[in-house]
Amino acid sequence: DTEVTQTPKHLVMGMTNKKSLKCEQHMGHRAMYWYKQKAKKPPELMFVYSYEKLSINESVPSRFSPECPNSSLLNLHLHALQPEDSALYLCASSPPRGTNTGELFFGEGSRLTVL
Amino acid sequence: QQQVKQSPQSLIVQKGGISIINCAYENTAFDYFPWYQQFPGKGPALLIAIRPDVSEKKEGRFTISFNKSAKQFSLHIMDSQPGDSATYFCAAPPTSGSRLTFGEGTQLTVNP
Repeated sequence: DTEVTQTPKHLVMGMTNKKSLKCEQHMGHRAMYWYKQKAKKPPELMFVYSYEKLSINESVPSRFSPECPNSSLLNLHLHALQPEDSALYLCASSPPRGTNTGELFFGEGSRLTVL
Repeated sequence: QQQVKQSPQSLIVQKGGISIINCAYENTAFDYFPWYQQFPGKGPALLIAIRPDVSEKKEGRFTISFNKSAKQFSLHIMDSQPGDSATYFCAAPPTSGSRLTFGEGTQLTVNP
C-alpha cells in the first residue's frame, strides 16, 4: 500500500466551484509534489514544495493554488477550472536525496472531472 | 529540461516471454535512473532504479541495463506474467532542481 494518501479519490465539479485536493505523508519526506496526468501520458510536474516552501511552479494557471500547511500535508485548491483540467492529479513525496535522484513516492491520485 | 525518448509505445508479449523497453536520455548532472510501473487507476510506483556506476541491476524478474556512453538504459522483464500488464515509465534525473523527466510510457500487455 502507498504511504502517500490522497483524498478524495474522485471529484466532480462545475466550472464555478471551489474544491480542494489533499495529500498526506508520514515518511518524514521534506519534498512534496503535485503532478497532473492525462490518459496515456506521463505525469506532468505542476508544483514542488521543499521544506514547506514553494520551490517550483511550472507556469501553472492561477486557478490551481497549492498550499503546504506543514511537512506532512499538501493541498491543491481548485477554482474556476475548465473541462480540459480534467485529469488524474497525483501527489508525491521524496526523501532528501530524492530531490536529486528522482526517487518519488506517489499517492493513488485524485481523479478530477470538470463539467 | 532534458528529453527522454522511450520505445516502444506499446508492447504485447506472451506469458513467459521477455519484455524489453528502451530509453535514451540527454545530458544529466545526476546519476540515478528509475523505472516506474503504473496500473490503471493507480499512481506510478517505483519499480527499480540504477546508478550508472554499474551496467546492470537485477531484482527478481526485472533487470535494468545501462549504457552510459550511449546514454541509453533499458528494462527487461523475464518470464513476463499477465500481472505485469501495466504502463511503464522510464525517467531521467534532473539536470537542475527537481524536475524529473519521464518518458512517454510503454503500455505492456502480457497475454495468458
